[in-house]
Amino acid sequence: EIVLTQSPGTLSLSPGERVTLSCRASQSVSSSYLAWYQQKPGHAPRLLIYGTSTRAAGVPDRFTGSGSGTDFTLTISRLEPEDFAGYYCQQYETSPTFGGGTKVEIK
Amino acid sequence: HVQLVQSGAEVKKPGSSVKLSCKASGDTFSSFGFSWVRQAPGQGLEWMGGIIPIFGAPIYAQKFQGRVAITADESTTTAYMELSSLRPDDTAIYFCARSPANHVSFCLGYWGQGTLVTVSS
Repeated sequence: EIVLTQSPGTLSLSPGERVTLSCRASQSVSSSYLAWYQQKPGHAPRLLIYGTSTRAAGVPDRFTGSGSGTDFTLTISRLEPEDFAGYYCQQYETSPTFGGGTKVEIK
Repeated sequence: HVQLVQSGAEVKKPGSSVKLSCKASGDTFSSFGFSWVRQAPGQGLEWMGGIIPIFGAPIYAQKFQGRVAITADESTTTAYMELSSLRPDDTAIYFCARSPANHVSFCLGYWGQGTLVTVSS
């Protein structure tokens, strides 16, 4: 099983700041099979990025995914109030797994 | 417009089984991956297993092997997940999710509303 480790667990930031979230895999993941999700309390997750860097429909361009091999990142260029939420990476190359998540909270 | 509508909340006794449904509409059913993901209170997301109807056989996360069964009924465009030998730590919200358009994978582009399963004696 591929283990995904997300860091940090929680980030306290202000609107307008730039944020970079990390997702590290225990073994190499094809860049075609790495996704990021956003989840707000009481809601189902929402797909943001698939294939490492392709934005899902309707996702603002302030969200950027990058990486390869075992290291992947999600960057939010400028935090908007609606971006304060939980973020999860997922690999779906083999038996899919999620990272433990990063919570982005308002400072 | 793709929609996934899940069955309602369940309360179960330890040792029993639960079967959840996920009715899909708005697109061709068989060519997409359907997954079941759960989230315990205050915890992260956990992929349990999935099925791509055109391929037939489901795949399961190792943790749930032998305890979960995922099926898909193409005639009713409904996916099902049955979890047996329930324990209190199976208390969670269970989501079904479908791959995005043009994806035959377990990427999760569309989500159901979630079903709360409570396991308690």
